[in-house]
Amino acid sequence: SQQGEEDPQALSIQEGENATMNCSYKTSINNLQWYRQNSGRGLVHLILIRSNEREKHSGRLRVTLDTSKKSSSLLITASRAADTASYFCATDDTGANSKLTFGKGITLSVRP
Amino acid sequence: GAVVSQHPSWVICKSGTSVKIECRSLDFQATTMFWYRQFPKQSLMLMATSNEGSKATYEQGVEKDKFLINHASLTLSTLTVTSAHPEDSSFYICSATKDRYEQYFGPGTRLTVT
Repeated sequence: SQQGEEDPQALSIQEGENATMNCSYKTSINNLQWYRQNSGRGLVHLILIRSNEREKHSGRLRVTLDTSKKSSSLLITASRAADTASYFCATDDTGANSKLTFGKGITLSVRP
Repeated sequence: GAVVSQHPSWVICKSGTSVKIECRSLDFQATTMFWYRQFPKQSLMLMATSNEGSKATYEQGVEKDKFLINHASLTLSTLTVTSAHPEDSSFYICSATKDRYEQYFGPGTRLTVT
C-alpha cells in the first residue's frame, strides 16, 4: 500500500529558485529516504534521515523530518535544469523488515 | 561502490511467452533483494522480497506462480514473468541491500508484451 504522500504532485520552477517538496506518512518508521528518478530510468538515492534525526543536509539538499506530524520535506536550493526529474519519498516502516513503501512521487520541472 | 545492474534493460515479447530478468549486485554481497514494478507516471510497487537461498516473500496480490523469483547467490536474483500478457507490460526495478538501511536500485527493465 502507498504510505508516503507527496505534495505537490507537480512543481514547475525557474532555474535558480528553490524547490520544496513535502511527504506525509501514516505509520511508525525507522527512517525516511528520498529518491530521484529521471524519466524511464532507475532510482538514485538522495538522502536518508533516521527517525531520531530532525534535519539533514547533503550539498544543495536539505531534508527535515517531523515524526510528530509524520511528515518530511525535501528542499533543493539553487535549482538547475538537471534537477528536472521525479522525486519520491520512501519510508522504512518499523517492523517491515527493511521493506520500503514509496509515495506517489512529485514531478519537478526546472525551466532554464 | 554499491552498483546494481539489470539485464536486459528492455525486452519485447509475445503474449504467452516467458521472460527472465536478472538483477546483480556488482561490488557487494546482497543479503536481500527486492523486486518492484512501476506503471507509467506511477510510483514503485513492491512485488516481492528475496533472500539468498530461501523462498521469496510476495506482497499481497502478487501471483507467485506468475512472477517466479530465484535468488541463487548473494549477487544474483532473477524474476521470470511466466505466460506474459499485455497487462504485464511495465517497468521492473530491482534493488539490493547489504545492510538494513539503504537499498541500491538497478536501472530497471522495460517489458513490453505484444
